[in-house]
Amino acid sequence: GAVVSQHPSRVICKSGTSVKIECRSLDFQATTMFWYRQFPKQSLMLMATSNEGSKATYEQGVEKDKFLINHASLTLSTLTVTSAHPEDSSFYICSARDHGQTSYEQYFGPGTRLTVT
Amino acid sequence: AQSVTQPDIHITVSEGASLELRCNYSYGATPYLFWYVQSPGQGLQLLLKYFSGDTLVQGIKGFEAEFKRSQSSFNLRKPSVHWSDAAEYFCAVAPSNDYKLIFGAGTTVTVRA
Repeated sequence: GAVVSQHPSRVICKSGTSVKIECRSLDFQATTMFWYRQFPKQSLMLMATSNEGSKATYEQGVEKDKFLINHASLTLSTLTVTSAHPEDSSFYICSARDHGQTSYEQYFGPGTRLTVT
Repeated sequence: AQSVTQPDIHITVSEGASLELRCNYSYGATPYLFWYVQSPGQGLQLLLKYFSGDTLVQGIKGFEAEFKRSQSSFNLRKPSVHWSDAAEYFCAVAPSNDYKLIFGAGTTVTVRA
């Protein structure tokens, strides 16, 4: 149980285009999902908290107009990188909290490798 | 501000030897504590967690961790490592009033034959 999927696993796009990454909770409902960014050999940096049916909460320094987050259902959150540039190349990981649990545990997706050329 | 420190960036250990990864946190109250493992190019897998109760926590893959309030530490241990334990290990903290996770910088474990 508690499986989170991400799609795509890898994506290469040209500079200036937009890319959408999906995060799905497969066997539980997630009112809250989190989006992280990870640079090579570094830790995870929280970008934003995605709440179902409401606006995402972005961490300081994260451009909300560049990283659009939508959490339209209890099992799906999307991250759209708009007008991508090479510096946006990174490993993006999502996680989700189980709506039915009171624990603070997050379940992580396998990540999406974005390369902007 | 809350923070998590993993003092060891890289540890090399022989297969069959014991392993201990250090984690210290800075937070006023007792937070919720986690250890995750990440294989190259993969997401994170939860090894174990501490919320309350017994301060020695057993996890998957033969790992355990001990919460020491007096030292603000949550060190991860394994008595005998396997080559498959080579990975990146992250300690994480969730302040008791927030669902966000704060991650340490990570420790890379290399296992030599």
